[in-house]
Amino acid sequence: GDSVTQMEGPVTLSEEAFLTINCTYTATGYPSLFWYVQYPGEGLQLLLKATKADDKGSNKGFEATYRKETTSFHLEKGSVQVSDSAVYFCALMSNAGNMLTFGGGTRLMVKP
Amino acid sequence: NAGVTQTPKFQVLKTGQSMTLQCAQDMNHEYMSWYRQDPGMGLRLIHYSVGAGITDQGEVPNGYNVSRSTTEDFPLRLLSAAPSQTSVYFCASSYSIVGSSYNEQFFGPGTRLTVL
Repeated sequence: GDSVTQMEGPVTLSEEAFLTINCTYTATGYPSLFWYVQYPGEGLQLLLKATKADDKGSNKGFEATYRKETTSFHLEKGSVQVSDSAVYFCALMSNAGNMLTFGGGTRLMVKP
Repeated sequence: NAGVTQTPKFQVLKTGQSMTLQCAQDMNHEYMSWYRQDPGMGLRLIHYSVGAGITDQGEVPNGYNVSRSTTEDFPLRLLSAAPSQTSVYFCASSYSIVGSSYNEQFFGPGTRLTVL
């Protein structure tokens, strides 16, 4: 079945540092890929998505590129802020399915 | 619009008790779903519905029942609570999620359930 693996946290960075959160997936066909963010005490919000190979999703300074050859969708940001502290989830949806498969989540803590 | 609302926010049950977690959306979304969130395991799909009167099982359906009598509401029922059901529960909705046509899933704020 489909699965998503992302790096375990917590990831602790200083403000303005570069961020990478790794995500790899296993799926049949050509899934759509997503990053969701969960701020403390809140539900999940869609951060960005990519629906086909080599697509780059971007939002709020975050980027991720759909790499089919490496089955990866790593999240990056050039300069993190304290307000980026949250839990980040990588997820996929197969074309044949109608449900999201999530990774375990990575907690990011940004210190001033 | 209120978006996706869930009640209650917190609940403590004793083993064997029953309860219903409420979920409502005011966006006229066809698709609704329930997830549970456990530490280190991300979110796992419990049940989902593609429209009023239609429900199906997700990855972890045992111990939970759902129904979808209206487009707006999608309650989740625990018939006999067990400590293994201690978790945070999220409801989500979207316009359509069939095949390759994807619309953003909107999540509610969650219900934190503890079963003693």
